[in-house]
Amino acid sequence: AQSVSQHNHHVILSEAASLELGCNYSYGGTVNLFWYVQYPGQHLQLLLKYFSGDPLVKGIKGFEAEFIKSKFSFNLRKPSVQWSDTAEYFCAVKDYGQNFVFGPGTRLSVLP
Amino acid sequence: NAGVTQTPKFQVLKTGQSMTLQCAQDMNHEYMSWYRQDPGMGLRLIHYSVGAGITDQGEVPNGYNVSRSTTEDFPLRLLSAAPSQTSVYFCASSYSRGAIYNEQFFGPGTRLTVL
Repeated sequence: AQSVSQHNHHVILSEAASLELGCNYSYGGTVNLFWYVQYPGQHLQLLLKYFSGDPLVKGIKGFEAEFIKSKFSFNLRKPSVQWSDTAEYFCAVKDYGQNFVFGPGTRLSVLP
Repeated sequence: NAGVTQTPKFQVLKTGQSMTLQCAQDMNHEYMSWYRQDPGMGLRLIHYSVGAGITDQGEVPNGYNVSRSTTEDFPLRLLSAAPSQTSVYFCASSYSRGAIYNEQFFGPGTRLTVL
């Protein structure tokens, strides 16, 4: 069965620092890839998604992610984080005809 | 569109009590699912449905029942609540399980505490 790992459990950054959150999934084929964000006390919201085409995907709020098929990875990046980016970030994978599989999440704390 | 709605937002139960968490969506999505979110474990799939009248088990189905009598509604029933079921529950929906171009939309969640 598909599984998703996220490299960091908790990341602490200062404002304006660059961010990279790692995500790997267990096996390939045609997959859809997602990053969701959960702000404190809120529900999950879609940050960005990859279905096909350009492996560099741009999302909302200045986030982007790069799909590297050979590494089964879909890392999330942002050049300069803000305090308002403090949240939990979930990577998710969906195989055709299968359920979504979520990673365990990475908590990001941005210090003002 | 209201999107995905869940009620209640908060609930406290005693061990052994039963209750139903409500979920509804107005996007005419075929696929609906229930997850539980626990610290450090991400979201784990409890049950899902690919359409009215069709449900199936996910990763952690024990202690929960679901039904899907309409496209819009997908209630989750706790048969006999246990402290291990203390969690935050999210309902989600998407266009179709089989569709390749797909994303899930989440409800606001229900925070359940079982004493």
